[in-house]
Amino acid sequence: AQSVAQPEDQVNVAEGNPLTVKCTYSVSGNPYLFWYVQYPNRGLQFLLKYITGDNLVKGSYGFEAEFNKSQTSFHLKKPSALVSDSALYFCAVRDQAGTALIFGKGTTLSVSS
Amino acid sequence: GAVVSQHPSWVICKSGTSVKIECRSLDFQATTMFWYRQFPKQSLMLMATSNEGSKATYEQGVEKDKFLINHASLTLSTLTVTSAHPEDSSFYICSAPPPGRGRTEAFFGQGTRLTVV
Repeated sequence: AQSVAQPEDQVNVAEGNPLTVKCTYSVSGNPYLFWYVQYPNRGLQFLLKYITGDNLVKGSYGFEAEFNKSQTSFHLKKPSALVSDSALYFCAVRDQAGTALIFGKGTTLSVSS
Repeated sequence: GAVVSQHPSWVICKSGTSVKIECRSLDFQATTMFWYRQFPKQSLMLMATSNEGSKATYEQGVEKDKFLINHASLTLSTLTVTSAHPEDSSFYICSAPPPGRGRTEAFFGQGTRLTVV
């Protein structure tokens, strides 16, 4: 069975500092990995994905993520956090195209000015 | 890009009534749509997979008689919460899988905040 773990309920970082939001996954085949962001009472916005190719994936709003197969991780990173990055972040996985995504529990990112 | 529109964005209903939530793919056809439920500060839990022209597939523990899903066309799926109770209050989000070759990310509706009083 597929699963996603986001070990941190909340991540706090000061504006301008680098941020990391952790994600590990479990999937039987080759993983399709995604990061989404959610603002209060809104749907999910796609940030980035890893399907194949380079392990470092760059996405929207300056975010990037590194796929690490040996550690089964897909941590979200940004070199310099903005207050506007404060939101709820979800890591998600599926094992093939067209199937439903399985989400982690989410991590609240709080960026202070 | 591909757009999924969900309506209404919020609804308040009385206990015992039914509520219908619509999910439309605006610029692509979706033979499959997914319905998720999200409790406050929790993750999205897959409720069911909606299939155009056939019955929906429900996840374990989801009452199919309570959460009626109809995929009437290639651009519309509806979720009806029947005989709603306060415990059904939640945020419901629909999603359509990638609409074509080369696209791998799913697209999500804006979500519907249901409050049952």
